[in-house]
Amino acid sequence: DTGVSQDPRHKITKRGQNVTFRCDPISEHNRLYWYRQTLGQGPEFLTYFQNEAQLEKSRLLSDRFSAERPKGSFSTLEIQRTEQGDSAMYLCASSLLGNAEAFFGQGTRLTVV
Amino acid sequence: AQSVTQLGSHVSVSEGALVLLRCNYSSSVPPYLFWYVQYPNQGLQLLLKYTTGATLVKGINGFEAEFKKSETSFHLTKPSAHMSDAAEYFCAVSDGNRDDKIIFGKGTRLHILP
Repeated sequence: DTGVSQDPRHKITKRGQNVTFRCDPISEHNRLYWYRQTLGQGPEFLTYFQNEAQLEKSRLLSDRFSAERPKGSFSTLEIQRTEQGDSAMYLCASSLLGNAEAFFGQGTRLTVV
Repeated sequence: AQSVTQLGSHVSVSEGALVLLRCNYSSSVPPYLFWYVQYPNQGLQLLLKYTTGATLVKGINGFEAEFKKSETSFHLTKPSAHMSDAAEYFCAVSDGNRDDKIIFGKGTRLHILP
């Protein structure tokens, strides 16, 4: 078990471009979460899945953001038409339903220029 | 809806002194409570968690926290600070009834003075 892995670790993109991040959770973890963290702030909840079902998406989240977990294993987070305000660390976490302990990946740092 | 308030965005303690990081939560249902630590340029790591049972929970690296329902608090303590404890600490809460998403506080940066 290698833990939660995220790819890429760093992404620099021009404003207006689309970006996609990938998260591979710990195998057999049925819950998968996406968070965003900016400097000096705590992780902000974006969305989460149980298996392939997206259970909740933050109401503060722009329609430019979409996430999928098609086979209940890895997940992707796509940001369309990126803006400078999207620059942040995007964190993925996974857990086993009933365990209440989420394991975090190292994150993907996005810089929009 | 759950929420967490961490009192003090920065806390400084001398090496060997008591560490106390304050966390108050809001929840209309029985909460699960967590403390996570984040070292520079690293991911979040779970220090300890409270779900049910004993209200004093012990975690890694000598940290412990006590769930006090009457005060809606879950303060983190360590008897003697070490230089290696310098990091960002996050208190978090989730809905215990639904084993729901985890909501984080804004964090407290702990500085250890030599």
